Amino acid sequence: DAGVTQSPTHLIKTRGQQVTLRCSPKSGHDTVSWYQQALGQGPQFIFQYYEEEERQRGNFPDRFSGHQFPNYSSELNVNALLLGDSALYLCASSVASGYTFGSGTRLTVV
Amino acid sequence: GENVEQHPSTLSVQEGDSAVIKCTYSDSASNYFPWYKQELGKRPQLIIDIRSNVGEKKDQRIAVTLNKTAKHFSLHITETQPEDSAVYFCAASQETSGSRLTFGEGTQLTVNP
Repeated sequence: DAGVTQSPTHLIKTRGQQVTLRCSPKSGHDTVSWYQQALGQGPQFIFQYYEEEERQRGNFPDRFSGHQFPNYSSELNVNALLLGDSALYLCASSVASGYTFGSGTRLTVV
Repeated sequence: GENVEQHPSTLSVQEGDSAVIKCTYSDSASNYFPWYKQELGKRPQLIIDIRSNVGEKKDQRIAVTLNKTAKHFSLHITETQPEDSAVYFCAASQETSGSRLTFGEGTQLTVNP
């Protein structure tokens, strides 16, 4: 058991639609980060949330937005989906001892 | 920003041989260097990490070395087994939890029985 739970596991959306992905962090972890992993590539940092605020952001357009709730869970929202948004979206929660990744949500845009 | 380069992209070894994967980074402020193993369709799983205050760390068959002056770090797997076959990613970060991880592009390791 990874301790970080993501839902849904798989999702198929049409170009132009909007999608919301969810993440529940490992117990005791207060920081949540989101990564996009395209096929055959390393994960790319999207943004990080701490105390319900976006603390850092990677090189992703404003179509990517997020939220963190008081219980530390988080959502990733992507608007106006493009074919190139097809990827595995990983959530990672962390404390001082390091990061733990969830199993990801496989998003396919058709 | 940080840039991490990883080599080789593919590595094939015979069971029992050693495997070495190398990474270089660009940001001298980075001081946390984890390695992740990702099997097909699964999440990245931390296998070992090293902080900048040490030069080497070992855990059974796995070891990591760090050269901060040269800005490179390496993963060493000894006595490889078929179940070691996976994609391995190196990463760099300024801290262990509050900073982004910058990943290399990954190494597909295949251990042939």
